[in-house]
Amino acid sequence: LAKTTQPISMDSYEGQEVNITCSHNNIATNDYITWYQQFPSQGPRFIIQGYKTKVTNEVASLFIPADRKSSTLSLPRVSLSDTAVYYCLVGDSRDSGGGADGLTFGKGTHLIIQP
Amino acid sequence: EAGVTQFPSHSVIEKGQTVTLRCDPISGHDNLYWYRRVMGKEIKFLLHFVKESKQDESGMPNNRFLAERTGGTYSTLKVQPAELEDSGVYFCASSQDPWLAGPTDTQYFGPGTRLTVL
Repeated sequence: LAKTTQPISMDSYEGQEVNITCSHNNIATNDYITWYQQFPSQGPRFIIQGYKTKVTNEVASLFIPADRKSSTLSLPRVSLSDTAVYYCLVGDSRDSGGGADGLTFGKGTHLIIQP
Repeated sequence: EAGVTQFPSHSVIEKGQTVTLRCDPISGHDNLYWYRRVMGKEIKFLLHFVKESKQDESGMPNNRFLAERTGGTYSTLKVQPAELEDSGVYFCASSQDPWLAGPTDTQYFGPGTRLTVL
């Protein structure tokens, strides 16, 4: 599994756009990039997944450059409720047996949104 | 649609006792996973069921941990006997068969069970 590096923590203010960048220099051809969000006392929650270029959903956007050695999670107009830990994960979602592997979590980025 | 549920939410036991954690995955999800995070550490994978079969149990710390998923529905994780270092939050997650769901194998996590061993 590719190792990921992301900021330990970030601060921002309500209404701002927040970008969290994750480095994954050893990403493999079959690897996808997935971001999870975790609030205190809850389990991680899937936010977004991508392979290349840009992916957007109702929660966030994910920007992946052509070399795929990094990715940026973009949260538009954050609110206090976006305060959470954000995990960047890289891996192949399927093995030859058809099963999905266990996820490898890093330390994540603690995002704190202030009023 | 109901999410992944775990029981209990919090358990406090003494060293040497036995504790059984339960996870009910999302209905229809064949894949079920157990993870745990001990204090100050990262979330670590423990094992993976596909239906009732253990697909990967490489993350199980030792033979004091026993996971079962009889009938391929809910799963239990038993710790016997519990040790101090077993304290932490145990998460369960489930996902669809990725060959059916497509490239995204989103895992849906439960709220976790906080285990405290005194």
